[in-house]
Amino acid sequence: DAGVIQSPRHEVTEMGQEVTLRCKPISGHDYLFWYRQTMMRGLELLIYFNNNVPIDDSGMPEDRFSAKMPNASFSTLKIQPSEPRDSAVYFCASSLRVASGVHNEQFFGPGTRLTVL
Amino acid sequence: GENVEQHPSTLSVQEGDSAVIKCTYSDSASNYFPWYKQELGKRPQLIIDIRSNVGEKKDQRIAVTLNKTAKHFSLHITETQPEDSAVYFCASRGAGSYQLTFGKGTKLSVIP
Repeated sequence: DAGVIQSPRHEVTEMGQEVTLRCKPISGHDYLFWYRQTMMRGLELLIYFNNNVPIDDSGMPEDRFSAKMPNASFSTLKIQPSEPRDSAVYFCASSLRVASGVHNEQFFGPGTRLTVL
Repeated sequence: GENVEQHPSTLSVQEGDSAVIKCTYSDSASNYFPWYKQELGKRPQLIIDIRSNVGEKKDQRIAVTLNKTAKHFSLHITETQPEDSAVYFCASRGAGSYQLTFGKGTKLSVIP
């Protein structure tokens, strides 16, 4: 397996533009997580899905952020409109629930470095 | 919600010395505690984890200890090498939860 795949790896955009980040989890994993990493705030969980259903989106900072998972192999994180303070590295991670309350590790993708000018 | 505090934020050690990073958590129901290593420009990768029914776990030069009563856990790296230089994150997961709460990270520098 190629691991968690994210695209693009780097994105530079101007304030006000729409940004879409993409993630392909490891095949067979049933949980998908979106994180944002900044120097100031560290690794923050934005939202996570179980079997394509959003479970907890309390970490999504504002209505400008939205995430979807239309099928088991694809998820998107969209920012519209983007602002300079959204500049960060966005990671997608996936994991497999092996028993009640027991998971294998979360595997992270390579991340998308977003710069909003 | 869960709160994880991690100390120190930066740590410099001489090659061959030991390094210790400590974390505390707030939710007494937390039952899973992984440690991730993130090299510069790379993704976080799991290096060791411990579950609440175990007090200590070791894997070659790295070990993790857990004190449930005090709600703290620590990462120990012995015989440090330059390739151990990275940012290390601790995390915890509450019982019945599927999400991790991460500490702010410790930047470890191993000086040759």
